[in-house]
Amino acid sequence: DTEVTQTPKHLVMGMTNKKSLKCEQHMGHRAMYWYKQKAKKPPELMFVYSYEKLSINESVPSRFSPECPNSSLLNLHLHALQPEDSALYLCASSQDLASGRGNEQFFGPGTRLTVL
Amino acid sequence: AQTVTQSQPEMSVQEAETVTLSCTYDTSENNYYLFWYKQPPSRQMILVIRQEAYKQQNATENRFSVNFQKAAKSFSLKISDSQLGDTAMYFCAFMKPGGGADGLTFGKGTHLIIQP
Repeated sequence: DTEVTQTPKHLVMGMTNKKSLKCEQHMGHRAMYWYKQKAKKPPELMFVYSYEKLSINESVPSRFSPECPNSSLLNLHLHALQPEDSALYLCASSQDLASGRGNEQFFGPGTRLTVL
Repeated sequence: AQTVTQSQPEMSVQEAETVTLSCTYDTSENNYYLFWYKQPPSRQMILVIRQEAYKQQNATENRFSVNFQKAAKSFSLKISDSQLGDTAMYFCAFMKPGGGADGLTFGKGTHLIIQP
C-alpha cells in the first residue's frame, strides 16, 4: 500500500466553525507533513512530524493546530479561520527525516478548504 | 536558504512530441536531492523522478529523464513521446542533505499542456 489518504475531499466552513482534516498512511512511514497550496502556486510547508513528535512549525497561526495521534494518523484542527486560509491542504509522508534512498515524500490527494 | 527557479510558467506541445522543462536551483550544499513532481488537474501530487546530487548518471523513468548539471545547478526534465495524460503542473523540488527535516523547497511550477 503506497497510498496516503485524506478526508474530507472538500470542506466549507464559516469563520466561527471548528473542523478537522484527517490524513492516514499505512506504509510504515515515521515522518508526516502538512502543506498548504494556493491556486497555481507550489505547496508551502506548514508542519513536520517525526516519530509522532512535532519537528517543524513554520510560524503557522495558532488557528491551525496539528496532532499526530499515532504513526499512521495526522490531523489538522481548524478554528476561527479567515477567508484567506481557503486553499488545498496536502498531507505527505516519508520513511523518516534522514537522508538516503526512500526519503521521497508521498502526497495525499488533498482537502479543498473554503472559508466563508 | 535554497531557492528553486522554474522559468517557464506554461508550455504547450503536440501529442507525441518531446518537451523539456527547465529548473535551476541555488544551494551551498554539496549533497542533496532533486525531484520532479507532477500534479494533474485531479490535484494528487505524484513523484515523477528523483536524482541524488552525488550521482553523476542522469535518472530515467520510462519516458521521463533528467539532465542534471551539478556545476550549473540545473535539473531539467525531458518527456519523450508526450501523451495527453502528461497534461499537469510540474514542480521541481529540492531536499537538503538532512532529508525531510525542512520539507521540500518547490519551484513555482510549469503548467504543461499536451495538445491532441
